[in-house]
Amino acid sequence: GAVVSQHPSWVICKSGTSVKIECRSLDFQATTMFWYRQFPKQSLMLMATSNEGSKATYEQGVEKDKFLINHASLTLSTLTVTSAHPEDSSFYICSAGLAGGPDTQYFGPGTRLTVL
Amino acid sequence: AQSVTQLGSHVSVSEGALVLLRCNYSSSVPPYLFWYVQYPNQGLQLLLKYTSAATLVKGINGFEAEFKKSETSFHLTKPSAHMSDAAEYFCAVTSGGGQGNLIFGKGTKLSVKP
Repeated sequence: GAVVSQHPSWVICKSGTSVKIECRSLDFQATTMFWYRQFPKQSLMLMATSNEGSKATYEQGVEKDKFLINHASLTLSTLTVTSAHPEDSSFYICSAGLAGGPDTQYFGPGTRLTVL
Repeated sequence: AQSVTQLGSHVSVSEGALVLLRCNYSSSVPPYLFWYVQYPNQGLQLLLKYTSAATLVKGINGFEAEFKKSETSFHLTKPSAHMSDAAEYFCAVTSGGGQGNLIFGKGTKLSVKP
C-alpha cells in the first residue's frame, strides 16, 4: 500500500527557533498534501492543503507566515514552524493524496513538536 | 457546517467481546463518512467508508459500520475483539462527493483486556 513518512518523528526546540518537518510519499506521487495539527485529546485539525508547485491554501485561523508550507515535488512537502512558541507544541500529521476525494489520502505517522 | 462527535474517549473491552465505538455526525449535505485507525507511532489507516451506497459498510479487520440517517450515526462495530485491535479510532465526515476536507472526531482509544 501507499506509504507516507515524516521526519523527524519528534523534535524539541527552544522558543524563537524554527523547525522544519518533512513529509514524503515513498511509493507514489502525491498531487496534494495536507497538514494537520492534533492537540492532546482533541481532533485532527486541518491546517493547510498544498498542491505541487503552487501556494498552499490555509484554513481560517492558521497563520501562513508562521507555518510555511513548501510542496516542491510530487513526493515531498515541508512544514516550517517559524519562531516557535510553547503554544505551537503539538502533534503534526501530514497526508498525501492522489486526485480525488479524501478516501485517497494516506497519512504519515506524525511529528511530535515540543517547544521549550 | 459539518461536525463529528465520538462518544467516549476511551473504551475498554475484553478479548472476544463485542466492540462498539460510537460516532454521530452533523451535516447539512449528504455526508461521506469514514473510520480510521491509528496504531501507536503510525499513521492513520482507513478502516471503512460510507459513500451513499449500501448503509452497512464492511471494512478491514472484521469491522463494519452502519449509516443511520434518522439517528445521524455511523457507529463502528466488531463482533469479537482481538488484542491487536487496541488502537485509537477516528470517525470523520466530509461533504457529499468526497471532495471536501475531512472533519475528524476527537478519537476513541480502544483497549482490549486479555
